Amino acid sequence: QVQLVQSGGDVVQPGGSLRLSCAVSGFTISHYAMHWVRQAPGKALDWVAVVSSDGKTKYYADSVRGRFTISRDISENTLYLQVTGLIVEDTAVYYCARGHGTLRTYYDYWGQGTLVTVSS
Amino acid sequence: EIVMTQSPATLSVSPGERVTLSCRAGQNISSNLAWYQQKPGQAPRLLIYAASTRATGIPARFTGSGSGTEFALTISSLQSEDFAVYSCQQYMKWPYGLFGGGTKVEIK
Repeated sequence: QVQLVQSGGDVVQPGGSLRLSCAVSGFTISHYAMHWVRQAPGKALDWVAVVSSDGKTKYYADSVRGRFTISRDISENTLYLQVTGLIVEDTAVYYCARGHGTLRTYYDYWGQGTLVTVSS
Repeated sequence: EIVMTQSPATLSVSPGERVTLSCRAGQNISSNLAWYQQKPGQAPRLLIYAASTRATGIPARFTGSGSGTEFALTISSLQSEDFAVYSCQQYMKWPYGLFGGGTKVEIK
């Protein structure tokens, strides 16, 4: 069955970096657009980034562009989010999610989430 | 940028009641709307896409309706497992993954 298993969240100081991972089983990530969505404590879901199924197109939310990088390893069927230049406002649970179709779509499978806490 | 507005923020209901949640888009998004359910400590779960199509395995008591700018999610008879936060998401216009603020359905 489809599973997205996440890891990599931690407590980091402002300005710090992390790499979040999302190991996928049950489907091949090269066949789908894959997304990162985050949720700050008590707040709404907030889309972060997407990589297209062919890996050629990547889009980012304005709030993270230039600091976050989405990537994937097809051989490992794993999605990544490299987060750098972290600020307190980046504190959130980060979810990876499968896009159902094209980039303009909804999310049909989600990882369990990983918590990133930015604090001095 | 489109604004997605959900109302009410919180709804207190008794098991067995019928509930209707509202989601309003600031611009016409046709039927490009999804609904998600999220329980504490869990990831969101897709309920409805294309405004009114139930996702795989979603019970028939969940019904989505609307198009354009006004949308609704109706739960015909609330079960104990339905107490959760419900969020809508538009995927018509950039930024595609734009969510509403959510409606919390709590036990009365």
